[in-house]
Amino acid sequence: EVQLVETGGGLVQPGKSLKLTCATSGFTFSTAWMHWVRQSPEKRLEWIARIKDKSNNYATDYVESVKGRFTISRDDSKSSVYLQMNSLKEEDTATYYCTTFDFWGPGTMVTVSS
Amino acid sequence: DIVMTQAPLSVSVTPGESASISCRSSKSLLHSNGITYVYWYLQKPGKSPQLLIYRMSNLASGVPDRFSGSGSETDFTLKISRVEAEDVGIYYCGQLLENPLTFGSGTKLEIK
Repeated sequence: EVQLVETGGGLVQPGKSLKLTCATSGFTFSTAWMHWVRQSPEKRLEWIARIKDKSNNYATDYVESVKGRFTISRDDSKSSVYLQMNSLKEEDTATYYCTTFDFWGPGTMVTVSS
Repeated sequence: DIVMTQAPLSVSVTPGESASISCRSSKSLLHSNGITYVYWYLQKPGKSPQLLIYRMSNLASGVPDRFSGSGSETDFTLKISRVEAEDVGIYYCGQLLENPLTFGSGTKLEIK
């Protein structure tokens, strides 16, 4: 059974940092391209980052609104993908999903507020 | 960025009847490899999105064949035949052709 489980969300002040973790199992993680997608409180879905596999040099890409602030990374030995979020803004408040686009985790909620 | 425009915003359906949801992209989603990279997802209340249709017309594993996808290079339709109570939720189309990957704003399906 494929599983993706996100952790690390919570309440954080503007300007602070947070790191999300997505632990996976049930599929060949090492060859999967992994993504982070967030959903605003208004239910809008926004793709924010992707990391390719080793054969594609772990290439990363980001939506413009998070470039320079967020970093996606992976550890194939742990079948996990991460999202380091720095300089958080109130508009980053959302539920963050880890996904292969075939499968999605249950999400972790991030609230940025003073 | 490719804009995905969905309609209607919401739809109310009697159980057993059909429903159609439209999605239009601002650019052709047909790749040179012949694949059209439009996907459909259903987000049931309190859950994460689940894949229904991939590459415009392919039914995802475990999805009832009451769901079907069709379209052209820029206009796409998700059809749900014989709607059931378990089909309630928000339906999203998304394009996986090029970054940034983008989604429609969603269509909420309710049961009458």
